[in-house]
Amino acid sequence: GAGVSQSPRYKVAKRGQDVALRCDPISGHVSLFWYQQALGQGPEFLTYFQNEAQLDKSGLPSDRFFAERPEGSVSTLKIQRTQQEDSAVYLCASSLVAGANTEAFFGQGTRLTVV
Amino acid sequence: GESVGLHLPTLSVQEGDNSIINCAYSNSASDYFIWYKQESGKGPQFIIDIRSNMDKRQGQRVTVLLNKTVKHLSLQIAATQPGDSAVYFCADRLDDYKLSFGAGTTVTVRA
Repeated sequence: GAGVSQSPRYKVAKRGQDVALRCDPISGHVSLFWYQQALGQGPEFLTYFQNEAQLDKSGLPSDRFFAERPEGSVSTLKIQRTQQEDSAVYLCASSLVAGANTEAFFGQGTRLTVV
Repeated sequence: GESVGLHLPTLSVQEGDNSIINCAYSNSASDYFIWYKQESGKGPQFIIDIRSNMDKRQGQRVTVLLNKTVKHLSLQIAATQPGDSAVYFCADRLDDYKLSFGAGTTVTVRA
C-alpha cells in the first residue's frame, strides 16, 4: 500500500485478555518503530526494528509487552493480560533507512481500550 | 522523563496570520530535531526536520529555527490556514533508534 497500515483501528479488550496489534509498513522500509500515545500526550517510544532484528526494546513497559517482525516486513505488537493502564493509541511508523534520524511515516494507530 | 517540551499547550491564531510554536529541549547532545503534525484520529505527519549543524531550515510555508545556545526550537507557519488546525509535536533524537516527543501544542485557526 501507499502508507503504513495498522489493524485493527479500534480494539476493546476485557482486563486480562491478550491482544495482538498489526502493522504493515511501507514496502522496502528498513526501520519500524512502535510508539504508545496516551490521551493528550505525545508518543512514547516502545521498540525499534531494523529489518527483522529488534535492536531496541527499552520502551516496553513490562514483560507483558512483546513485539516481533519475523520477516522484516509486517510487525505485531502483543500485549498479554491487558490492564487498564494499557489503554492508549499504539502507533507504528516506518522509515526507509536505519535509525531515527530521518522522516518516519506513521500509521493511523490502533486505539486500545481495556475495560 | 521527556527530553523536549513545548512552552504552550494551546495556540489560537487568526486565519492568514503567522503562527509560532515553541519547544525547549534539555539534552544538549541532541543532534536531530523534527516537527510532526497530528490531526484528530490520525497518526503524526512529518512537517520538517533540522540537524544540529543548522540554525534554520525552510519548507513550504514552514520554517524551523534552532537555537542551541538556549536549547530552543521553534516552528513558524506562514499565512496560517484552517487546514493547519492540529496538534503539533516537536521531537529530538535521544539515541540511534529513539525519538523523544513533547506533549504537543494544539493550534486552532479562527476564520
